[in-house]
Amino acid sequence: DADVTQTPRNRITKTGKRIMLECSQTKGHDRMYWYRQDPGLGLQLIYYSFDVKDINKGEISDGYSVSRQAQAKFSLSLESAIPNQTALYFCATSDFGGNEQFFGPGTRLTVL
Amino acid sequence: DAKTTQPPSMDCAEGRAANLPCNHSTISGNEYVYWYRQIHSQGPQYIIHGLKNNETNEMASLIITEDRKSSTLILPHATLRDTAVYYCIVRFPYNTNAGKSTFGDGTTLTVKP
Repeated sequence: DADVTQTPRNRITKTGKRIMLECSQTKGHDRMYWYRQDPGLGLQLIYYSFDVKDINKGEISDGYSVSRQAQAKFSLSLESAIPNQTALYFCATSDFGGNEQFFGPGTRLTVL
Repeated sequence: DAKTTQPPSMDCAEGRAANLPCNHSTISGNEYVYWYRQIHSQGPQYIIHGLKNNETNEMASLIITEDRKSSTLILPHATLRDTAVYYCIVRFPYNTNAGKSTFGDGTTLTVKP
């Protein structure tokens, strides 16, 4: 079984809808991250969490919110989706040292 | 975090060494150099990292210049499965609260038969 899983893997939604992307990990890591990747470009950090009680904004947090329900679960929400949030979203984890991040398979989100 | 500059694309013959350059002239003293790769649209995969000394693991070698303003990732014997986008990232390690990370646009390496 994969160490970092993301659900759903693909989602098509309409402008204005609320969307939640979920991430679960079995690596026992304290640190979790959400990234966004636009077509042909690199990854941008949205939010990161160093433990269950710690949430931090990344470079592009506007329009997004997160919830760290447990050590193993980190959810990303789009309260009111807009078309320019169409992208590939990745969740990642790392241990306290944080040098190596482990990425999930990604969620492809399309906002019409 | 310091910005990085990488060539957008490179080709390499199968079995030959692939040398991927990265410029990071604004790197600060405590920032590390990290390399990841992304095959197709899969999640990125960690390759290697270093501070100022050259590093080697089972996947690659990392050569960092003495002034730390540039580095080179070396895949010693490239295979077709090494075709991917390679990202060079400069940042503080994640055991500080400054540990944010943005991946640039990377270098698309194409390994040819």
